[in-house]
Amino acid sequence: AQKITQTQPGMFVQEKEAVTLDCTYDTSDQSYGLFWYKQPSSGEMIFLIYQGSYDEQNATEGRYSLNFQKARKSANLVISASQLGDSAMYFCATPSRITGNQFYFGTGTSLTVIP
Amino acid sequence: DADVTQTPRNRITKTGKRIMLECSQTKGHDRMYWYRQDPGLGLRLIYYSFDVKDINKGEISDGYSVSRQAQAKFSLSLESAIPNQTALYFCATSDLLGRGQGGDTQYFGPGTRLTVL
Repeated sequence: AQKITQTQPGMFVQEKEAVTLDCTYDTSDQSYGLFWYKQPSSGEMIFLIYQGSYDEQNATEGRYSLNFQKARKSANLVISASQLGDSAMYFCATPSRITGNQFYFGTGTSLTVIP
Repeated sequence: DADVTQTPRNRITKTGKRIMLECSQTKGHDRMYWYRQDPGLGLRLIYYSFDVKDINKGEISDGYSVSRQAQAKFSLSLESAIPNQTALYFCATSDLLGRGQGGDTQYFGPGTRLTVL
């Protein structure tokens, strides 16, 4: 089965600074994707960014980018120019093609942006 | 309007009661999923469905059942609720052929907070 590890239970960042949230993965699929979701205090899960295992470029979406290091099995999320609204839980996930693309999630990182 | 909706958004019930959580989607996706989220444990899969005739158990299906009434509707039932089923429940959808961004991206409903007393 796939496994996602997020080792930072909580992170703090100063407003307007950049922050990196760590994610390492283990997968048996040859082709796979890494996903990041944001969960604000209101509870919804918001898709942020995706990285495919064969994508040559690191994914970027606005202020979000992925630092994808395939050999190290890591897919860290970088948030640039942090804003107060970025305070939330962040989850890394990967699907398993064997089980209907079930997503395996990490335990999440709580990010707090300090004014 | 939201693409994936869940009803109810909040529910408090008693041990032994039967509860149904409903999910509807307008994204036209074939695949639908039910997850539960417990503090500190991330999300775990309860059931998933590829279409109305294809329903599969996830890693924590005991105590739950599902019904896929139509492509757009997927319901989760707790036949006899117990306190350790208190959690945040999410419905999600994804495109069978991965035509959306990221191929397998799953889109989540707003969640249902269920409390079993």
